[in-house]
Amino acid sequence: RKEVEQDPGPFNVPEGATVAFNCTYSNSASQSFFWYRQDCRKEPKLLMSVYSSGNEDGRFTAQLNRASQYISLLIRDSKLSDSATYLCVVNSRSSGSARQLTFGSGTQLTVLP
Amino acid sequence: GAVVSQHPSRVICKSGTSVKIECRSLDFQATTMFWYRQFPKQSLMLMATSNEGSKATYEQGVEKDKFLINHASLTLSTLTVTSAHPEDSSFYICSAPFPDTQYFGPGTRLTVL
Repeated sequence: RKEVEQDPGPFNVPEGATVAFNCTYSNSASQSFFWYRQDCRKEPKLLMSVYSSGNEDGRFTAQLNRASQYISLLIRDSKLSDSATYLCVVNSRSSGSARQLTFGSGTQLTVLP
Repeated sequence: GAVVSQHPSRVICKSGTSVKIECRSLDFQATTMFWYRQFPKQSLMLMATSNEGSKATYEQGVEKDKFLINHASLTLSTLTVTSAHPEDSSFYICSAPFPDTQYFGPGTRLTVL
């Protein structure tokens, strides 16, 4: 079983739609969770951290369920510029003060005009 | 946010040559940096953890004699792909933690002919 699993998609949605991505992780000791966005042939960029209480940043809402080891990302009113691959990321091991991240395989989103 | 640079952004080389990739943290110090590799349509895979002043820690299946890592200062880590072969062609990305997540360099696209 992969440490972090995501539905690879692709998700093709019209502009303005609401889309949700799901992710599960296997290491119950994981402490930090993130969603990253990666555009084609570019490096991943942090979209948002995910907190147990759930958190929102504009059109983006992230949720974490520790009991189920499940993370979600909701995008409302999707824009063309939201087209990218969304990576579910979990810290898996610590190395001193730094933490190693484990990446899901990513979910590809295309927002259509 | 924190800035991480990588150089070169793209390199094409002949089989059997060595290629050095530099990763710099521009506005913060990083005692640890991470090196990832990403093949087309796949997720980032951690190759090794670079530790300033000590030996790098390699992930299982990554040859330490082929992928030489040097972390000579608090802002610079280098990855040298020795005797590169076509199967080493990939997107190499470094990251550095700051403070609780990681920031990525823009990546180096290596093509070995």
